[in-house]
Amino acid sequence: KNQVEQSPQSLIILEGKNCTLQCNYTVSPFSNLRWYKQDTGRGPVSLTIMTFSENTKSNGRYTATLDADTKQSSLHITASQLSDSASYICVVLATDSWGKLQFGAGTQVVVTP
Amino acid sequence: EADIYQTPRYLVIGTGKKITLECSQTMGHDKMYWYQQDPGMELHLIHYSYGVNSTEKGDLSSESTVSRIRTEHFPLTLESARPSHTSQYLCASSDGGLNYGYTFGSGTRLTVV
Repeated sequence: KNQVEQSPQSLIILEGKNCTLQCNYTVSPFSNLRWYKQDTGRGPVSLTIMTFSENTKSNGRYTATLDADTKQSSLHITASQLSDSASYICVVLATDSWGKLQFGAGTQVVVTP
Repeated sequence: EADIYQTPRYLVIGTGKKITLECSQTMGHDKMYWYQQDPGMELHLIHYSYGVNSTEKGDLSSESTVSRIRTEHFPLTLESARPSHTSQYLCASSDGGLNYGYTFGSGTRLTVV
């Protein structure tokens, strides 16, 4: 069973609307949680990195939240644009993993005009 | 500009052929990784290296091999390609700092026919 679960698996939203993606993890203890954006056929690009002591972090129209007690994170996209169409991946770095990341399967977001 | 490069971007090759996927980074990172990703699925670690002459197998069993003769170069080799090797291969490097900043290459999409 994957230690990082994401929902929904995919979603379609209208341009200009907001959306929120969810991530639940069981990795423990963990060092930090990241959100990546992966365009089709490309490598993932980092959006945010949060340590266990951080609750929220923003990067432009992307805002990530973290609740280390419930082991949940969310990524909120504000005023979506067509270029936001991509897979969004939640990734956790365990404290004792020597830099090896645990990846979620991603949420495929499609923004339509 | 510091970056990580993968070549080729796309490769279609016949069964039984030997192939090498190239990965180079200009950031001086000691840690490098190879991930395998099937469509719609999470990334799986197949090989990693913590420095020159250091290579380890990852969490997902792979018939590929790697070498790390120079810090900047981390090639992956398949001695005899099979259709089951068809996948996307992503190379990454990290600085090993407190937050393990990760940079991914654009990937090589391999198709074995």
